[in-house]
Amino acid sequence: EIVLTQSPTTMAASPGEKVTLTCRASSSVSYMHWYQQKSGASPKLWIYDTSNRASGVPNRFSGSGSGTSYSLTISSMETEDAATYYCQQWSSNPLTFGSGTKLEIK
Amino acid sequence: QVQLQQSGAELVKPGSSVKISCKASGYTFTSYDMHWIKQQPGNGLEWIGWIYPGNGNTKYNQKFNGKATLTADKSSSTAYMQLSSLTSEDSAVYFCARRSLGGVMDAWGQGASVTVSS
Repeated sequence: EIVLTQSPTTMAASPGEKVTLTCRASSSVSYMHWYQQKSGASPKLWIYDTSNRASGVPNRFSGSGSGTSYSLTISSMETEDAATYYCQQWSSNPLTFGSGTKLEIK
Repeated sequence: QVQLQQSGAELVKPGSSVKISCKASGYTFTSYDMHWIKQQPGNGLEWIGWIYPGNGNTKYNQKFNGKATLTADKSSSTAYMQLSSLTSEDSAVYFCARRSLGGVMDAWGQGASVTVSS
C-alpha cells in the first residue's frame, strides 16, 4: 500500500500570504489528486492529474510534483480557502488518501 | 447536473448490519464506477471500494473484505453499500463518489452518518 504523508498537519496563513502544502508518497506515483473539504461538507475535487484545476477552482491554486513529492500552492491566501486538503493516489491498489492538511486563516 | 443523494443517518446496534443508498442523477449511471469512502470523526478519508453498475463488477480495499458489500440497481440508478457485523469502529460518515472518465472522484454524495451504539 502506498502511504501518503501530508505536511504540515495544520497551519494558519494570513490573507495574501503564499501557502504551500506538501504530499509525499512512500513509492513513486504517476499522478496526484487533491480534494478540498470544509467542515461538515463533502470533499470536492480540487486539483487532478497533479496540476489541473477542477472546474470552478480559482487560478490562485496550482499543483505540481512528480515521483514521490507533490505540492499544492495557493499564491495568495483568501478567507474562503480555509479548509482541509487531502491528496490522493491511485497509481496502485488500494487507492489511498493522505491524512490531510488543515489550513486556517490567521 | 450530476447529483448523488445518500440515505439518512443510521443508529444501529453492535453486531447488526446496515445498508446505505446513493441515488444518482444527471448522468448515465451504468457508465461510471461508484466509489465508497469512510471518514471517522475528526479523521481522514479511507477508500472502501468501487462498483461498476454497468456489469456489477466490484473491487474492494482488502481491509474491508467481509465488512462491506457493494451492489447497484440499474433500474433506479442507485448504488448500495451494506456493512455487516458492526462495531464501534464502523461509526463514521460514509460517502459515495463517482469516478470520472479521467479517474478521479468528481462528484460526491452528502455523506451518510452511521453510529454503532447499544
